[in-house]
Amino acid sequence: QVQLQQWGAGLLKPSETLSLTCAVYGGSFSGYYWSWIRQPPGKGLEWIAEVDHSGSISYDPSLKSRVTISVDTSKNQFSLKVSSVTAADTAMYYCARWGGGSGMAYWGQGTLVTVSS
Amino acid sequence: HSVLAQPPSASGTPGQRVIISCSGGTSNIGSNFVYWYQQLPGTAPKLLIYRNNQRPSGVPDRFSGSKSGTSASLAISGLRSEDEADYYCATWDDSLSGRVFGTGTKVTVL
Repeated sequence: QVQLQQWGAGLLKPSETLSLTCAVYGGSFSGYYWSWIRQPPGKGLEWIAEVDHSGSISYDPSLKSRVTISVDTSKNQFSLKVSSVTAADTAMYYCARWGGGSGMAYWGQGTLVTVSS
Repeated sequence: HSVLAQPPSASGTPGQRVIISCSGGTSNIGSNFVYWYQQLPGTAPKLLIYRNNQRPSGVPDRFSGSKSGTSASLAISGLRSEDEADYYCATWDDSLSGRVFGTGTKVTVL
């Protein structure tokens, strides 16, 4: 059974860097796209970026300048960094696996990140 | 922000059929598969439909998806109280070179 477990700092000050990591248990790391999605309080889902096992990356254009996504295949983990955060980056952040036309069938538990001075 | 438009809300009584629409364009729905996700309150989204109309194992056949041109829809038949949730469509957008989610539809069971 595939499980995604994510962690990272939950409270940041404006201008700091958001950093989250997602570990994948129980399945292959290769052959899939590993995604980050966020959901501001009371709002809809927003796709941030994704990376495959080889390091090929796609970004939401509006966030690309501030986002870094990376993969560590030796640990079956992938990470997200968002620089220069503001209150607008306050959201629940999810990691997810997208696979071969089958959609995002596996999701992490979510991490609430709050940006406040 | 989202390029996929959904009605903000939909409702029905138990047993009724509810249809949720998802409207896009030629660069997204018109040329890529559509996916649907269900998000129960306080939980992570769950994949409901993939490749326009396929159900993952464990998803009841009360849920069905379809696509025509640049629009897609999700139908919930035999509405049940546990179907009360937010529903999102999603696809790839060739112009943005990225994935996009719909604006989301809150389904209420009256």
